[in-house]
Amino acid sequence: DAGVTQSPTHLIKTRGQHVTLRCSPISGHKSVSWYQQVLGQGPQFIFQYYEKEERGRGNFPDRFSARQFPNYSSELNVNALLLGDSALYLCASSLELLSGQGVETQYFGPGTRLLVL
Amino acid sequence: RKEVEQDPGPFNVPEGATVAFNCTYSNSASQSFFWYRQDCRKEPKLLMSVYSSGNEDGRFTAQLNRASQYISLLIRDSKLSDSATYLCVVNVPLTGGFKTIFGAGTRLFVKA
Repeated sequence: DAGVTQSPTHLIKTRGQHVTLRCSPISGHKSVSWYQQVLGQGPQFIFQYYEKEERGRGNFPDRFSARQFPNYSSELNVNALLLGDSALYLCASSLELLSGQGVETQYFGPGTRLLVL
Repeated sequence: RKEVEQDPGPFNVPEGATVAFNCTYSNSASQSFFWYRQDCRKEPKLLMSVYSSGNEDGRFTAQLNRASQYISLLIRDSKLSDSATYLCVVNVPLTGGFKTIFGAGTRLFVKA
């Protein structure tokens, strides 16, 4: 079975531009979460979506937005790019949102490396 | 104070050594706990979930102490291939969902 897929794998943008990153979850998984990972740090939670609804949001500015589609795939949009947005953007999917039963275990895609010049 | 704190590392150990990773979390409402492994320039991969009763998977043993808000990972008989960054992960419930918080990770180098 295919794992979580993300596109593109790499992206170079300039300050002020916007970017759209895409994620397809594992088949049957209904929840998608987005993370930003800068060098030397652990991933930072951006958004969680479940059944097309936002269920969680991290401490990121409104320039960051996301959505989930009926087929459970997701997009992350970042507007007015800053140099500090350069990072690895990770998408993770999980079967459900119920905690403590294993169905919330997240599986990560390979990420999109974004460089803002 | 960070929500999830790990040993800063890096740890440099010889093959065959036993190495322990420690992690503390600040939110007592945290519900589920994991260790992930991340190789250089790769995505995090689930190593194991962590249960209150403790759990073992081959050379890897994870422990959870809810009273102390402490999680550990023990690797026995370490191999060269264990060299990676180990990430402590905690899920904190939100209304209708949860927030996943990663520690900064502890880098492990296993040398021959």
